[in-house]
Amino acid sequence: DIQMTQSPSSLSASVGDRVTITCRASQGISNSLAWFQQKPGKAPKSLIYAASSLQSGVPSKFSGSGSGTDFTLTISSLQPEDFATYYCQQYNSYPLTFGGGTKVEIK
Amino acid sequence: EVQLLESGGGLVQPGGSLRLSCAASGFTFSSSAMSWVRQSPGKGLAWVSTVSGSGSSTYYADSVKGRFTISRDNSKNTLYLQMSSLSTEDTALYYCARDSRLGFWGQGTLVTVSS
Repeated sequence: DIQMTQSPSSLSASVGDRVTITCRASQGISNSLAWFQQKPGKAPKSLIYAASSLQSGVPSKFSGSGSGTDFTLTISSLQPEDFATYYCQQYNSYPLTFGGGTKVEIK
Repeated sequence: EVQLLESGGGLVQPGGSLRLSCAASGFTFSSSAMSWVRQSPGKGLAWVSTVSGSGSSTYYADSVKGRFTISRDNSKNTLYLQMSSLSTEDTALYYCARDSRLGFWGQGTLVTVSS
């Protein structure tokens, strides 16, 4: 199974900050990586697929990069609505696996 | 507009069975693989199962293999998850999601396994 390791597990940031979350796969997954945002009590929402492709309707302040084993999600200017938990997921092979999540909190 | 609506969750005793459904609309259901993902209270996301668009290929997490069966009825645009031999560890919010990259999620249905 491919293990997905996210870091940090949590972070505190201020409105307007640039935030970067990393995700590392235990083996190469090409660009078969997705990022999700989940707010409390809500279903996850797809932000990015294929490592860097923005899902329809997702604002351009979100961006993804990487290939192989190392990936990043960047929020260019953090806004109040962006405080949430973020997950990465690989879909290169079964079983599909998720990172442990990164909780982004208000500083 | 893509919509996924799960149903069928509830309280069940350990060892019991339950069937979840996910009604899909707003896209060509038969062309999309579909997945189930669960989230235990206060925990992260865990993939459960995926079925191909035709239904001919299925994939399962080891934790549910042999106990859960994923299926679909393309004539009804509906995805199913038959769960049996349930244990307390299966207590979770169960989401259906479109394809293996999980591009769209339903709101979830809660399964509680407790005596």
